[in-house]
Amino acid sequence: ETGVTQSPTHLIKTRGQQVTLRCSSQSGHNTVSWYQQALGQGPQFIFQYYREEENGRGNFPPRFSGLQFPNYSSELNVNALELDDSALYLCASSSGTSGANVLTFGAGSRLTVL
Amino acid sequence: AQTVTQSQPEMSVQEAETVTLSCTYDTSENNYYLFWYKQPPSRQMILVIRQEAYKQQNATENRFSVNFQKAAKSFSLKISDSQLGDTAMYFCALENRNSGNTPLVFGKGTRLSVIA
Repeated sequence: ETGVTQSPTHLIKTRGQQVTLRCSSQSGHNTVSWYQQALGQGPQFIFQYYREEENGRGNFPPRFSGLQFPNYSSELNVNALELDDSALYLCASSSGTSGANVLTFGAGSRLTVL
Repeated sequence: AQTVTQSQPEMSVQEAETVTLSCTYDTSENNYYLFWYKQPPSRQMILVIRQEAYKQQNATENRFSVNFQKAAKSFSLKISDSQLGDTAMYFCALENRNSGNTPLVFGKGTRLSVIA
């Protein structure tokens, strides 16, 4: 079975630009969660998608948005990039939304905003 | 609000020795999961061990075990016979079991170095 893959692995943007990060979930998983991990910090929950619908959101502004596709892959979009958006963005998939379903993480996309 | 605190930013241990990483948490819920995740330089979070709050027995996974003290809201990780491959960031995390949307709340992590 394939794991969670994320692309791109690294990217550099300038303030004010927009970025799209992509995530392919593990085979058989229907739930995708996105986390932001700033340097030296633990990951923080951005939002979760379950069967193509947003199923919960953390304390992030509306310029952070997402999509989930019929094959359960997902995108994270960030508009009007700010310097503080520089972070590792982690995608995790699971076969359900509860803690009984263990998350499988990808290796992340490292975003640098200049 | 749920919080997770890891008070040891960095730790080191000699190969083959035992090390314990500390974690305390706060939640008003009675039904939750606790996790330890490992993040090596490859950046991918890997689940080390999971504990369900309603289970009194401490979870174990090979060389990894936890000391879960529910009343004290403490959840420490013990790594026995440390190996060079255990070098990584370790994150403690909490997840409320009752909510349909149950995001993980992470601590800030402990950087563990295993020395040959």
